[in-house]
Amino acid sequence: RKEVEQDPGPFNVPEGATVAFNCTYSNSASQSFFWYRQDCRKEPKLLMSVYSSGNEDGRFTAQLNRASQYISLLIRDSKLSDSATYLCVVPNSGGYQKVTFGIGTKLQVIP
Amino acid sequence: DAEITQSPRHKITETGRQVTLACHQTWNHNNMFWYRQDLGHGLRLIHYSYGVQDTNKGEVSDGYSVSRSNTEDLPLTLESAASSQTSVYFCASSPGIGKASNEQFFGPGTRLTVL
Repeated sequence: RKEVEQDPGPFNVPEGATVAFNCTYSNSASQSFFWYRQDCRKEPKLLMSVYSSGNEDGRFTAQLNRASQYISLLIRDSKLSDSATYLCVVPNSGGYQKVTFGIGTKLQVIP
Repeated sequence: DAEITQSPRHKITETGRQVTLACHQTWNHNNMFWYRQDLGHGLRLIHYSYGVQDTNKGEVSDGYSVSRSNTEDLPLTLESAASSQTSVYFCASSPGIGKASNEQFFGPGTRLTVL
């Protein structure tokens, strides 16, 4: 099983819709998880950190399911500006303070 | 405001040349990382450092080297550039301590083309 797996999409959703991405991970000992947003040809930017069961920030909710080893990102009331690639990030089982990035899920919000 | 910068932002070079990409952070972070990003592969770790004088190989380190002589800088050197090293290179840093020790912040990237 890969350290982290994501559906690359693309997810095409209308403005105002709710969309959810899942990401599975293999290292059951992982404690901290992250979602990054990456716009085309730009650097990844930290969107949310998940240290316990979940985290909420406005329209964005990240949830952690340790039993099934997946994290999810829920975006409510999608905006055109939410169009981007969303990267799931998990601790790297091979070393202290390293992380592994998922390939990313592409979201396109359409008017 | 604290930040992380990379230079140059774009570079075209020839096969066989030595190239150095600069990364400078003012966060005073202990950890620094170099990644490359290619279509279909996502971000792959090249080298990383947990502090001054510490360097470690990542998953795709062949043909690359780094040095950490101070907290702020982690230059990445391509010893003899190859066309397979054409990519976008991102530098990142993370605190290394505290609850947010693993939260990485990225520079704007360097787009390198090897002809």
